[in-house]
Amino acid sequence: SQELEQSPQSLIVQEGKNLTINCTSSKTLYGLYWYKQKYGEGLIFLMMLQKGGEEKSHEKITAKLDEKKQQSSLHITASQPSHAGIYLCGAVPIHGMKTSYDKVIFGPGTSLSVIP
Amino acid sequence: DGGITQSPKYLFRKEGQNVTLSCEQNLNHDAMYWYRQDPGQGLRLIYYSQIVNDFQKGDIAEGYSVSREKKESFPLTVTSAQKNPTAFYLCASSRSGTGDQPQHFGDGTRLSIL
Repeated sequence: SQELEQSPQSLIVQEGKNLTINCTSSKTLYGLYWYKQKYGEGLIFLMMLQKGGEEKSHEKITAKLDEKKQQSSLHITASQPSHAGIYLCGAVPIHGMKTSYDKVIFGPGTSLSVIP
Repeated sequence: DGGITQSPKYLFRKEGQNVTLSCEQNLNHDAMYWYRQDPGQGLRLIYYSQIVNDFQKGDIAEGYSVSREKKESFPLTVTSAQKNPTAFYLCASSRSGTGDQPQHFGDGTRLSIL
């Protein structure tokens, strides 16, 4: 069955440092989403990537999707305590034809702590 | 502001009792979803609905039921048949069920057993 892996499982960084979180699929993806979750709260949508090689940025967060559309990285520049939380990737496995419903599968998440 | 509202934030269930979790959205989205989140297991899909008066089972539907009588509402009932209901429940919606429309989430309901 289709699964998403995330690495690292958890990350502790000093404020101001850069960091990268990875999301890997064993199969080619139709689309990939990045979400952020604070403990006990809902998921906040960050970015969606659909094209191989695509890169998007929002404030100090940049996400890339590789050319094969099987791996994505989320990079945070000059981390701040406000970046702390759990980062989850969600992905739609590619279909032969676009259907009216595309199930989203989620990775297990990467827990990020930022030390002031 | 548009968004998804889940209530209550915390819920306690006694043995043998059914409880209902509320989910309302004012985003005019067609598709709505219920997920269960357990530590270390990520999100698992319980039920989804692509349109009013229609819904489909997800991966872990046993012990749960839903209804979709109105576009903006998608309540989830956790029945007494669900033997391990303690979890964090998340409701989401999207413009459509296709993969190019990201899902937007509510703040969740934490259900515990008394």
